[in-house]
Amino acid sequence: DTAVSQTPKYLVTQMGNDKSIKCEQNLGHDTMYWYKQDSKKFLKIMFSYNNKELIINETVPNRFSPKSPDKAHLNLHINSLELGDSAVYFCASSQADRASYGNTIYFGEGSWLTVV
Amino acid sequence: GQNIDQPTEMTATEGAIVQINCTYQTSGFNGLFWYQQHAGEAPTFLSYNVLDGLEEKGRFSSFLSRSKGYSYLLLKELQMKDSASYLCAVPGSNYQLIWGAGTKLIIKP
Repeated sequence: DTAVSQTPKYLVTQMGNDKSIKCEQNLGHDTMYWYKQDSKKFLKIMFSYNNKELIINETVPNRFSPKSPDKAHLNLHINSLELGDSAVYFCASSQADRASYGNTIYFGEGSWLTVV
Repeated sequence: GQNIDQPTEMTATEGAIVQINCTYQTSGFNGLFWYQQHAGEAPTFLSYNVLDGLEEKGRFSSFLSRSKGYSYLLLKELQMKDSASYLCAVPGSNYQLIWGAGTKLIIKP
């Protein structure tokens, strides 16, 4: 069974469209994340949720809206897509909400978003 | 400020040893992580160092010097499957990981 699964894996869409990426984890973790990996391969945290509560919002544009219906799910909705949104978006989860020993972050396989 | 530097790309030969360096600057220090990311796949955890010294885990070892803001990942007996990017990361002031851009390791037969 996949620990952190996200869909879709590939998404090509036009500028101005609205799209969603879904994520689910079956690890029983309390914390979930959305990361963005750009063309230069930097991983940057976008959002972090702990038990459905938003705890980290790293100055991401308002067009990005995460939603966590329960602690096993964290979806990402993006409005009015722009060319610069093209990237790989990784969902992830961990037991605790702070990077520390034993708090390994488990990543989903990524969603490749291309805005044309 | 908070910053992580790693070489962009390295090449090594199958069966050899390679050392991937990482230097970091953080306002505090709460450990250093190494992750492996194969092309087109998710990053996966390799190691965590919080004390100075070498931590060995099979063919992979990770070293930390807190006074120098320096770590390295040592890969021995390289195999073709070790071709991947290796990401160094440290917790930032908000306790979330700050990631380096990764070192792409190319293994040649």
